[in-house]
Amino acid sequence: EPEVTQTPSHQVTQMGQEVILRCVPISNHLYFYWYRQILGQKVEFLVSFYNNEISEKSEIFDDQFSVERPDGSNFTLKIRSTKLEDSAMYFCASSTTGGGEYNSPLHFGNGTRLTVT
Amino acid sequence: QKEVEQNSGPLSVPEGAIASLNCTYSDRGSQSFFWYRQYSGKSPELIMFIYSNGDKEDGRFTAQLNKASQYVSLLIRDSQPSDSATYLCAVNPGGFKTIFGAGTRLFVKA
Repeated sequence: EPEVTQTPSHQVTQMGQEVILRCVPISNHLYFYWYRQILGQKVEFLVSFYNNEISEKSEIFDDQFSVERPDGSNFTLKIRSTKLEDSAMYFCASSTTGGGEYNSPLHFGNGTRLTVT
Repeated sequence: QKEVEQNSGPLSVPEGAIASLNCTYSDRGSQSFFWYRQYSGKSPELIMFIYSNGDKEDGRFTAQLNKASQYVSLLIRDSQPSDSATYLCAVNPGGFKTIFGAGTRLFVKA
């Protein structure tokens, strides 16, 4: 079964450093997402991406965050200057449909655990 | 603020019993509803999705939707110890964002 792959599985960085989290969505999916989950808390929406542009973003997704699809397969999340509170599990997801009234399920990658020290 | 509410549990059931997990949502216009299972330290794994009022069955799992009451439930028949996990209810109210509940922890006792 096709799956979403994420790298790295763990990332430790110092406060103020830039990190890039990488994802390869399922190949025939057109909608891409980043979610995060702080330990013990809910899965939270960060951003959605469709047709090479951001389609929706949350209040969490401020100017320190950016997303990019640099080629036909990769989808990246960049955090420009990490803060302690950015420590979380970051999940990439993809879906076949989105943005409508009835939307297909999200398929999640295994996540990247980001620790900011 | 659009919300998805779940009882955090833990819900404890004996092996072989039916586990019943419930969820309410605030946005009356929502049309897409999902149940995910999440093991500790792992990513959410899709169990079922439902769009229409009524029941939808898939193996040991049944999702139930009542849009008038803004209520979604998941029944797990013949519960197994391997079903022990956190179950996340998720709702897409239209658009690109899916909203997750905090999850209900299920323990199935052997």
